[in-house]
Amino acid sequence: GAGVSQTPSNKVTEKGKYVELRCDPISGHTALYWYRQSLGQGPEFLIYFQGTGAADDSGLPNDRFFAVRPEGSVSTLKIQRTERGDSAVYLCASSSNGRSTDTQYFGPGTRLTVL
Amino acid sequence: AQSVTQLGSHVSVSEGALVLLRCNYSSSVPPYLFWYVQYPNQGLQLLLKYTSAATLVKGINGFEAEFKKSETSFHLTKPSAHMSDAAEYFCAVTFYNQGGKLIFGQGTELSVKP
Repeated sequence: GAGVSQTPSNKVTEKGKYVELRCDPISGHTALYWYRQSLGQGPEFLIYFQGTGAADDSGLPNDRFFAVRPEGSVSTLKIQRTERGDSAVYLCASSSNGRSTDTQYFGPGTRLTVL
Repeated sequence: AQSVTQLGSHVSVSEGALVLLRCNYSSSVPPYLFWYVQYPNQGLQLLLKYTSAATLVKGINGFEAEFKKSETSFHLTKPSAHMSDAAEYFCAVTFYNQGGKLIFGQGTELSVKP
């Protein structure tokens, strides 16, 4: 079946611009996660949704970052006033129920470059 | 603080040799531990996970890992490396009631020489 998909695969923007990154999870998965992976580092947690609500947004670095999941399926990560330090690969993952023991299935990521 | 440390950012082995990738965690509560593999231009794929059942866990592609509480370790091994094992490997930890929020190590790049 279809896995987690993310669009766009690459996004180049200029400093100060607004960007939206989209994640389409596995059908029926109630939990959705966003991570950020900088070059040479492991992924860092940003936010976790259970259904439509953000259950844990403790990883969002500042108020320029915001994410939504209005219908409990597709999620959008929004970044305002982008900075060069936001350049990274943004990963999305989903799991069936959001339990700590559940396997998270990852998408291929969106590579964001801020010039 | 809860954290994961992977010793060695790069490991190189010969084809057919033992693969050993090290992972240690820091936590005051029982952990759930995961190993993921990332091939170039692909998403992270689960190799195996420890969720408090058997301490020796077998995964895909011949990999296994053993949870050792006394050593706070979850090292990944494979008896005989194959060229197709060349990739980046990440160890990750989470805990009960965390909703699955994963804390990742910095990764180990495995190279396999012919």
